[in-house]
Amino acid sequence: NAGVTQTPKFQVLKTGQSMTLQCAQDMNHEYMSWYRQDPGMGLRLIHYSVGAGITDQGEVPNGYNVSRSTTEDFPLRLLSAAPSQTSVYFCASSYSNQGPGTGNTIYFGEGSWLTVV
Amino acid sequence: SQQGEEDPQALSIQEGENATMNCSYKTSINNLQWYRQNSGRGLVHLILIRSNEREKHSGRLRVTLDTSKKSSSLLITASRAADTASYFCATAISGGSNYKLTFGKGTLLTVNP
Repeated sequence: NAGVTQTPKFQVLKTGQSMTLQCAQDMNHEYMSWYRQDPGMGLRLIHYSVGAGITDQGEVPNGYNVSRSTTEDFPLRLLSAAPSQTSVYFCASSYSNQGPGTGNTIYFGEGSWLTVV
Repeated sequence: SQQGEEDPQALSIQEGENATMNCSYKTSINNLQWYRQNSGRGLVHLILIRSNEREKHSGRLRVTLDTSKKSSSLLITASRAADTASYFCATAISGGSNYKLTFGKGTLLTVNP
């Protein structure tokens, strides 16, 4: 198993550009999520999904869109990049659709470093 | 303090010594989880402790939970250079969304050979 795979690893965008961060998992996990990690802020939940066709907002959803057309993939779209979106983005997944708050282990990808200039 | 705040922010020890990191939180929780993050990598789940548990062990890791003080500690015994990483606690708030974990800012542990 490859686990949780994120692409690209590094990306530089200009303000106003759009892009998609890809996330794929091969563990047949129902729950998938996107976090961003900023210095001094900890990880913050952007969006999550409990199964194909089902998505919901986390703490900081503004400026981001997600979709879940398959169990395996959960792309994160930046609609019009802003410097405030410069961050490290992590995709994470968990087997159960009950969510990590019930005690299910979540597995993180290796991260995508995004710089918006 | 915010929900899930680690202390100290940074810790430097010698190989073979024990490392203790603390996590404090504000609201009641269902469970608390500890994660490790090596530089430039993703987070790796270490151990979970539920609100009705007081202590758990996993290899060289020992986690305690004191719900009356709203705090948890992570002890790494006989530390190794490979333990150098950032350590985060994450809480699942009781009565809150099961789909969200609240992460602290982390403790950076450096183990010197």
